[in-house]
Amino acid sequence: GAGVSQTPSNKVTEKGKYVELRCDPISGHTALYWYRQSLGQGPEFLIYFQGTGAADDSGLPNDRFFAVRPEGSVSTLKIQRTERGDSAVYLCASRLGLAGFGDTQYFGPGTRLTVL
Amino acid sequence: AQKITQTQPGMFVQEKEAVTLDCTYDTSDQSYGLFWYKQPSSGEMIFLIYQGSYDEQNATEGRYSLNFQKARKSANLVISASQLGDSAMYFCAMREANAGGTSYGKLTFGQGTILTVHP
Repeated sequence: GAGVSQTPSNKVTEKGKYVELRCDPISGHTALYWYRQSLGQGPEFLIYFQGTGAADDSGLPNDRFFAVRPEGSVSTLKIQRTERGDSAVYLCASRLGLAGFGDTQYFGPGTRLTVL
Repeated sequence: AQKITQTQPGMFVQEKEAVTLDCTYDTSDQSYGLFWYKQPSSGEMIFLIYQGSYDEQNATEGRYSLNFQKARKSANLVISASQLGDSAMYFCAMREANAGGTSYGKLTFGQGTILTVHP
């Protein structure tokens, strides 16, 4: 079946602009995650959705970052007043939502955000 | 202290040989999960293998096996019979429980190891 998809694959914007990044999880996956990966680093957690609600947003760096998942499927990560330091690859992942530590997260291809 | 430590920034291996990528972790939980992902130059994170903290046997998935030493808090990935297509960045990651004992499932990643397979 189809994997996690993310659009756009690349986004170039100017400092101060607003951007939206979209994630379409694997069908039937109730849990959805956003991570941010800077060059040469491992991904860092941003936010977790179980269904429509954000169960854990402790990784969002500041209030310029916001994410929604209104119907429990597609999610949008929104960044206001972008800064050059926001440049990174934004990864989305989803999993079935089963209990147990082995419920694997599957990642999308990422959106590479460049803030000029 | 870092929760996941991958001490090898880069590793080289000859095609068809085995290679071990190191990972140590830090947690006070009894229940946790350990994952390895592969990230080729295309950027997508590909799940390779999982080991639960209570699993008595080391996990294996095809050419991948996980050398789990719980007392030493290490979870090294072993790739047997390396192939040119194994050249990529490899990440070790851990999933821990929340304060209430459940788990939201967020992963904490190490900094990765770049593996290069030579023909």
